[in-house]
Amino acid sequence: AQKVTQAQTEISVVEKEDVTLDCVYETRDTTYYLFWYKQPPSGELVFLIRRNSFDEQNEISGRYSWNFQKSTSSFNFTITASQVVDSAVYFCALGDVDYKLSFGAGTTVTVRA
Amino acid sequence: DSGVTQTPKHLITATGQRVTLRCSPRSGDLSVYWYQQSLDQGLQFLIQYYNGEERAKGNILERFSAQQFPDLHSELNLSSLELGDSALYFCASSVERQDSGNTIYFGEGSWLTVV
Repeated sequence: AQKVTQAQTEISVVEKEDVTLDCVYETRDTTYYLFWYKQPPSGELVFLIRRNSFDEQNEISGRYSWNFQKSTSSFNFTITASQVVDSAVYFCALGDVDYKLSFGAGTTVTVRA
Repeated sequence: DSGVTQTPKHLITATGQRVTLRCSPRSGDLSVYWYQQSLDQGLQFLIQYYNGEERAKGNILERFSAQQFPDLHSELNLSSLELGDSALYFCASSVERQDSGNTIYFGEGSWLTVV
């Protein structure tokens, strides 16, 4: 069975602070996919990143960066120099070979001005 | 804009009724997924269709059914609605690419309120 744990329920930071969101996953599959999605207050799910299980290369996209470590089954997400517009719920998800996603419970990020 | 279109955006209906949620996938995407997001269960996978055929089933109730049509749009039918069915229903689509793998894009969701 696939399982995703986002231990942090809520994180509150002041603008320009960095924030790191933790994601730990469990799977018996050798091939799997990891995703991060952002859900702003308007409700839509916005795709942020996908990584394959065989690609542990970390990635940076603007103020966003992701650290994938298979040894610890973690796929953490960092927002650098946070902004008020980053306030949202962030979901980590684990996909199987059919790309069925198992989501974590989400982490609510509040960035205060 | 993800390119996945869902209608209606909001729906209020009474218990016992039946509703149909519609999804148009991104152009070229063959797979359609349905997810339910509720306060108590979080985001849960319901069902997946690939090019008109059911491919995978998740935690979908027997009162719910879905289909994907030849033009690749999909419908999720919810019947004998109960208060607990109130949720945000998402449709997502993807296409499998050998070079870059698969990226799954979600629509804006259909908010269903059962009263």
